[in-house]
Amino acid sequence: AQSVTQLGSHVSVSEGALVLLRCNYSSSVPPYLFWYVQYPNQGLQLLLKYTTGATLVKGINGFEAEFKKSETSFHLTKPSAHMSDAAEYFCAVSPLISSGSARQLTFGSGTQLTVLP
Amino acid sequence: EAQVTQNPRYLITVTGKKLTVTCSQNMNHEYMSWYRQDPGLGLRQIYYSMNVEVTDKGDVPEGYKVSRKEKRNFPLILESPSPNQTSLYFCASSVTGLSYEQYFGPGTRLTVT
Repeated sequence: AQSVTQLGSHVSVSEGALVLLRCNYSSSVPPYLFWYVQYPNQGLQLLLKYTTGATLVKGINGFEAEFKKSETSFHLTKPSAHMSDAAEYFCAVSPLISSGSARQLTFGSGTQLTVLP
Repeated sequence: EAQVTQNPRYLITVTGKKLTVTCSQNMNHEYMSWYRQDPGLGLRQIYYSMNVEVTDKGDVPEGYKVSRKEKRNFPLILESPSPNQTSLYFCASSVTGLSYEQYFGPGTRLTVT
């Protein structure tokens, strides 16, 4: 069974500072990996995903994440935080080989990002 | 505009009073799903549907029912709501069950007293 751990339920950074949100997964086989963002009073929106190929993936709004198999991690980063980045961020995994015919997502518990002026 | 809509957005009800939360998508997606979001637990899947008349249980299906009579609609039914079903509910859809990206509705905040 897969699981996702997001270290830090709340992260605060100053505007212009580096954003680092941590995600580790446990799976016998490296899964597909996703980051979703949830802005206040909205649904989740896909930020970026890793399926195959280059382990450093770029997403929307200047975010990127690197898949590190040896560390079973998929941390999300952004070089310079903006006030508009304040949101809740969810890491999610999906098995490489889907059971049945649905790509089931397992979500982490989320990290609330606060950006301080 | 391509979107997933949910109604109502907010609902306060009492224990045992049947309710339905509607979900509709206009993207002709085959796959639809319901999640509940609780603090510290992330999103957990309740039910999903691969296509019309095809539904299956997710991780937390107890106390919920769904139906998929039309491709665009996937209502969530709570026949006898209880306080432990107080939560934020999201409907999502994707092109197929194997698609990488799911599109989420805005959420329905349900309170059961």
